[in-house]
Amino acid sequence: AQKITQTQPGMFVQEKEAVTLDCTYDTSDPSYGLFWYKQPSSGEMIFLIYQGSYDQQNATEGRYSLNFQKARKSANLVISASQLGDSAMYFCAMRGGSNYKLTFGKGTLLTVNP
Amino acid sequence: EAQVTQNPRYLITVTGKKLTVTCSQNMNHEYMSWYRQDPGLGLRQIYYSMNVEVTDKGDVPEGYKVSRKEKRNFPLILESPSPNQTSLYFCASSHRGSSYEQYFGPGTRLTVT
Repeated sequence: AQKITQTQPGMFVQEKEAVTLDCTYDTSDPSYGLFWYKQPSSGEMIFLIYQGSYDQQNATEGRYSLNFQKARKSANLVISASQLGDSAMYFCAMRGGSNYKLTFGKGTLLTVNP
Repeated sequence: EAQVTQNPRYLITVTGKKLTVTCSQNMNHEYMSWYRQDPGLGLRQIYYSMNVEVTDKGDVPEGYKVSRKEKRNFPLILESPSPNQTSLYFCASSHRGSSYEQYFGPGTRLTVT
């Protein structure tokens, strides 16, 4: 069974600073994908970044980077130079298994202060 | 424009009145899925479909039905809705495989009184 744990229900960060959102996972599948999604107050789910279990390098997408530590089973999201528009709920998710199920953590609510 | 559409976006209904939430995608994706989102619980999978006529239960399938008669459509059916099905529902689609992101619809906010 797959499991995603996000231990930070809420986080605060000052505008223009960097912030790390924690995510640990558990799976017995050798092949899996790790994803981060953003959900603003308007409700839509926005894909941010993907990391494959066999990828040697950490994924980066603009201001987002994924700190992937396979041995520790962690996949933390780093947002650099935070902006007010980054205030949202952030979900870590893992996809794997024979049914390609996407399993979500419970989310972290990020608030960016001016 | 590549997208997943859901209708209706908002629905208030009464206990026991059958309803259907439609979902359609225009990306030729084989895989489609329904999730419900409840405060403090994240998103949980209700049903998924690997291809036309192939559907299976997710984590919380009780009280729901689905069908996949065409590749682009994956409706969610609540035969006899109950108040505990009040939730935010998302449809998603993707290609099959662990490396593919799922594209989400805009969500349907359902209230059952």
